[in-house]
Amino acid sequence: KNQVEQSPQSLIILEGKNCTLQCNYTVSPFSNLRWYKQDTGRGPVSLTIMTFSENTKSNGRYTATLDADTKQSSLHITASQLSDSASYICVVSVETGANNLFFGTGTRLTVIP
Amino acid sequence: GAGVSQSPSNKVTEKGKDVELRCDPISGHTALYWYRQSLGQGLEFLIYFQGNSAPDKSGLPSDRFSAERTGGSVSTLTIQRTQQEDSAVYLCASRTTGTASYEQYFGPGTRLTVT
Repeated sequence: KNQVEQSPQSLIILEGKNCTLQCNYTVSPFSNLRWYKQDTGRGPVSLTIMTFSENTKSNGRYTATLDADTKQSSLHITASQLSDSASYICVVSVETGANNLFFGTGTRLTVIP
Repeated sequence: GAGVSQSPSNKVTEKGKDVELRCDPISGHTALYWYRQSLGQGLEFLIYFQGNSAPDKSGLPSDRFSAERTGGSVSTLTIQRTQQEDSAVYLCASRTTGTASYEQYFGPGTRLTVT
């Protein structure tokens, strides 16, 4: 069964600290993995995308890693800011089919001053 | 417009009433998706439109849900005889087609509350 699981469900950190969010998936055949950021009241916005051959991808203070062998991904946020408070959603694509995206339930990150 | 827009942003309706939710995709995007996001849940696929092809309705939870896309652009999601369990954020996304890696661009969503 194609599934995407994220941990932790929620996380509270102090401004300036780093954090790492986890994503495990059992999706096949794998095409790519995206991390989305969803601010409250907004739609998700793509942060990074990685294909099978990519191990890491950075977007500013966001760095995503992918281990295709263990089917795990992580999103590392460096020097967190208050504006990082949002839900972070891991989305895995399969190679075929119209409904080819599988969504995790997200990690709710709260950055406090 | 520059992005996907949805209207209304918020909708409160009484149980049993019908509602219509609108999505304006990015110009030129041939693929359009509707998702439902319930509190604490991941995005749930509802329906997919691709050009003039028959839509993929496999995610619609019941026959009270329907959607159409006119002229290959604007889409309307209709929920008839709303129930309290229909309360959720309904998100629309569009993308170009060609490869599975093409990004979906999401609208801000419509928050539906059924009282």
